[in-house]
Amino acid sequence: EVQLVQSGAEVKKPGESLKISCKGSGYTFTSYWIAWVRQMPGKGLEWMGIIYPGDSDTRHSPSFQGQVTISVDKSISTAYLQWSSLKASDTAMYYCARPLGDRYYYYAMDVWGQGTTVTVSS
Amino acid sequence: QSVLTQPPSASGTPGQRVTISCSGSSSNIGSNTVDWYQQLPGTAPKLLIYSNNQRPSGVPDRFSGSKSGTSASLAISGLQSEDEADYYCAAWDDSLNGHAVFGGGTKLTVL
Repeated sequence: EVQLVQSGAEVKKPGESLKISCKGSGYTFTSYWIAWVRQMPGKGLEWMGIIYPGDSDTRHSPSFQGQVTISVDKSISTAYLQWSSLKASDTAMYYCARPLGDRYYYYAMDVWGQGTTVTVSS
Repeated sequence: QSVLTQPPSASGTPGQRVTISCSGSSSNIGSNTVDWYQQLPGTAPKLLIYSNNQRPSGVPDRFSGSKSGTSASLAISGLQSEDEADYYCAAWDDSLNGHAVFGGGTKLTVL
């Protein structure tokens, strides 16, 4: 079964750092992009960026450039989303998702992780 | 403010047909395909329609999608109570160098 399994819920204080993970299984992890999507409480979906595990080609959305870092460790089939200094406004559910397609063309996200809740509060 | 515009809410009674619209621009819907996602309460989004009108395996044919110009729509026929969910349209945006944009979502209520 193709699946993405994300790390557990996190509760952090403003200014702290955080790295959440997304582990792929049931498919060739290095052959599909992995995207990250934010959903703030009661709000819609926001595209954050995408990474190709095969060669670590990474594209951060302009809205999130400089705010987060997307990375991958292909040896353990895991993608990461990282913050160096959290803010209260980072409180949200974060999903990883796998788009269909290949290295040069990706589209619809057909596999989603279960989501990781991040709460930032003093 | 989402790049793609959807009505915040829609409703229908069991058995009815409802449609949800999604409006964009020439850089996204006008030049790329549209996908639709269904998000049931407390769960991750699920791909419902891709490439404007294609259904992934397992999605009932009650769900259909279409696109014309810079707009798209999702139609649900034979509405069922389990269709009550949030629905999001999405498209790739040429002005954002390979990034996707979403609609703000439409909450569908089955009366």
